[in-house]
Amino acid sequence: QVQVVQSGAEVKKPGASMKLSCKASGYIFSNFYMHWVRQAPGQGLEWMGFINPTDATTRYAQKFQGRVTVTMDTPTSTVYMEMSSLRSEDSAFYYCARVPMGPFWYVDLWGRGTLVTVSS
Amino acid sequence: QSALTQPASVSGSPGQSITISCTGTSSDVGSFDLVSWYQQYPGKAPKLLIYEVFKRPSGVSNRFSGSKSANTASLTISGLQAEDETDYYCSSYTVSGTMIFGGGTRLTVL
Repeated sequence: QVQVVQSGAEVKKPGASMKLSCKASGYIFSNFYMHWVRQAPGQGLEWMGFINPTDATTRYAQKFQGRVTVTMDTPTSTVYMEMSSLRSEDSAFYYCARVPMGPFWYVDLWGRGTLVTVSS
Repeated sequence: QSALTQPASVSGSPGQSITISCTGTSSDVGSFDLVSWYQQYPGKAPKLLIYEVFKRPSGVSNRFSGSKSANTASLTISGLQAEDETDYYCSSYTVSGTMIFGGGTRLTVL
């Protein structure tokens, strides 16, 4: 079964860091980029960045440069998204999102999302 | 970079057609045929409806169609059904090699 399974909900204090995971299965991991998209409660989708599984290169939205790091573990087909210096505005659902390799920029498979709550 | 511009809400009666616009700039929508549309129900992950402006993934109803003119892309839903009532988002590739989403449109079926 083709799927991406995300880690469970997290509650963090302001200033803390978080590291979310996204485990891919049922398809060839290296054939798809993995993106991260977040959605604050009642708000729209916000693109964060992605990783190229063939060489682990990354690209981030300017807003998240320096605060977000996306990494991967090829043997387990798992992608991680780490965010530092969390603030209340970072409370959101975080989705990992699969994008076909090549000149394609559409998400054909979404994770169910990980709810992150940042609160003192 | 600001989000692509979508109307906050649109509405239509069952059986009618509606169109949701998605306006960007020459740095995104206007420069690439890499516009996608997603449907999202409350509490659920988005679902791909349209990619590369007008292409439909397998399994998506042909009531959904996409187009683009200059810096504006459009999603048209024909033969509106009650189940279409939810949120819709557009996205585009950008000249910076990034992705940008629209602010989302809530569709109400009257």
